[in-house]
Amino acid sequence: QVTLKESGPALVKPTQTLTLTCTFSGFSLSTTGMRVSWIRQPPGKALEWLARIDWDDDKFYSTSLKTRLTISKDTSKNQVVLTLTNMAPLDTATYYCARVPYTKDAFDIWGQGTMVTVSS
Amino acid sequence: SSELTQDPAVSVALGQTVRITCQGDSLRLYYASWYQQKPGQAPVLVIYGKINRPSGIPDRFSGSGSGNTASLTITGAQAEDEADYYCNSRDSSGDRYVFGTGTKVTVL
Repeated sequence: QVTLKESGPALVKPTQTLTLTCTFSGFSLSTTGMRVSWIRQPPGKALEWLARIDWDDDKFYSTSLKTRLTISKDTSKNQVVLTLTNMAPLDTATYYCARVPYTKDAFDIWGQGTMVTVSS
Repeated sequence: SSELTQDPAVSVALGQTVRITCQGDSLRLYYASWYQQKPGQAPVLVIYGKINRPSGIPDRFSGSGSGNTASLTITGAQAEDEADYYCNSRDSSGDRYVFGTGTKVTVL
């Protein structure tokens, strides 16, 4: 059974750096063609893709956020970490991680999401 | 353009058919995927590669598309299909992804 779960702070202050961890099971990020993405959704708004990391450590970022985002993986721990610097109230959202197998090129399994509020 | 545009809301009578559309230039190059999201829940993949249905997704969900438009059709809509639906594809660069603006489906 494939599962993903996001973890991180529920509240961050403006200008702080957000660090989120996606811990997954049921697949390996060292398997050729396997990838994990982060997606966020502000309250009442649409989904927004943020970043993707691949089995070979290739990384891709949203054009609008690439200067603030970093994605990394720890294959031995089955974890993917996302950092977003200089947080602002507009970054308030539910943050999801999702598996993106090459064979589907779609987000086939999602974590439950973690709500992050940016407020002083 | 890397935007995917959807109608904000559609309604369908119970048991009838509804089609949700998604428009964007990147759909001329890349396949669409579709996600169902119910309130307070994570999205669920219902269609990938324009027409493929993951295991466990009812066959009343089908995908199609041509040119710059992708479509999700629900044939014989059920009460449990009431949800927000989002399309998704690569953006025009091919290296990144973009989501549609979302369509709220109401089953009457």
